[in-house]
Amino acid sequence: GQQLNQSPQSMFIQEGEDVSMNCTSSSIFNTWLWYKQDPGEGPVLLIALYKAGELTSNGRLTAQFGITRKDSFLNISASIPSDVGIYFCAGPPSGTYKYIFGTGTRLKVLA
Amino acid sequence: SQTIHQWPATLVQPVGSPLSLECTVEGTSNPNLYWYRQAAGRGLQLLFYSVGIGQISSEVPQNLSASRPQDRQFILSSKKLLLSDSGFYLCAWMDNSYEQYFGPGTRLTVT
Repeated sequence: GQQLNQSPQSMFIQEGEDVSMNCTSSSIFNTWLWYKQDPGEGPVLLIALYKAGELTSNGRLTAQFGITRKDSFLNISASIPSDVGIYFCAGPPSGTYKYIFGTGTRLKVLA
Repeated sequence: SQTIHQWPATLVQPVGSPLSLECTVEGTSNPNLYWYRQAAGRGLQLLFYSVGIGQISSEVPQNLSASRPQDRQFILSSKKLLLSDSGFYLCAWMDNSYEQYFGPGTRLTVT
């Protein structure tokens, strides 16, 4: 079935550093979304992307919709301790209402 | 504003017992609804989704089933639980922009 692969699987960084992660798919997506999940809670939407090549920012977060429509990237600048959590890419494969999540990138920030 | 409710928050059930988890959404009409399961330290596995009353698409049939008896109500059920059914169950609704919003989740432990 369709799968979204995220890399890296986990990251340990120092507070203040920038973070980059990506998400790739074997099929085309028309919409890419990035979520963050804190322990014991449901994921919370961070950024939504609707057009190939689109670059969108939300505070210290910047995400890009890949030109091929099979990948997306998320960058976090100047990381802070509350950035700790699991980051997921997600979306409905083109032409469906089925909604799948990536494998996740676990971020830990060292103060 | 829209809100999504899930209950119970935690549940401990013996193997072979039945299950019923309920999810309701307020403040929107005809939402797309989703059930996910998340094993400890893992990503979100799509179980079922529904685009309307009585319409259920199954991704992981196994021993689980879902029903949508009303527009804003989504129920996850099982006749006989397995140990492998343990996990964190999340309900979500999706708006017209493909953005998903999650309930607080139910942590199920099958003993």
